[in-house]
Amino acid sequence: EAGVVQSPRYKIIEKKQPVAFWCNPISGHNTLYWYRQNLGQGPELLIRYENEEAVDDSQLPKDRFSAERLKGVDSTLKIQPAELGDSAVYLCASSRVAGGGGETQYFGPGTRLLVL
Amino acid sequence: DAKTTQPNSMESNEEEPVHLPCNHSTISGTDYIHWYRQLPSQGPEYVIHGLTSNVNNRMASLAIAEDRKSSTLILHRATLRDAAVYYCSQTGGGTSYGKLTFGQGTILTVHP
Repeated sequence: EAGVVQSPRYKIIEKKQPVAFWCNPISGHNTLYWYRQNLGQGPELLIRYENEEAVDDSQLPKDRFSAERLKGVDSTLKIQPAELGDSAVYLCASSRVAGGGGETQYFGPGTRLLVL
Repeated sequence: DAKTTQPNSMESNEEEPVHLPCNHSTISGTDYIHWYRQLPSQGPEYVIHGLTSNVNNRMASLAIAEDRKSSTLILHRATLRDAAVYYCSQTGGGTSYGKLTFGQGTILTVHP
């Protein structure tokens, strides 16, 4: 079974430029998550999708970040314009739909973003 | 948000058992306890999870305190490949449904 796929793996941009990250979850996983991980810190949830619906985007900085999950499969996370403080690793994860919080999340390798 | 507390770092020798502690000060009765680990340049990897009873799988064991305010991840025989950052978390219903809240984690060093 293929794991969560993310691209690109690395991205270097100048501040004020736009950037987009792509994620393909594990087949059959209805729930998709985007996390941001700053250096030396644990991942922080940005947004969670159940199929096409964003059910928790409370931590997403909506002034510059946007996300979509068309057709309930692949997802794209965008930053426009990027700021120096956005330099981090952006992780995508997926899980099956399950009740009660016992579901396992499977993470991709992440996209390492450097904003100059 | 759910809050967990872990030691910043721990060390072990190869082939010895390792006990990684975690405090779950805000856990509620329906929250699951999860442990993940992260190797350098990789995404977090699931290790184990449980609700009330102790759990075993091929990777590790999870011991959960009776009041559920603490848990311990047990690696029975540490190997060099177990060197990683270990995160404990909790998820449950309501606003924390499906939400893994990672702290800073414990950096585990394994000496040959």
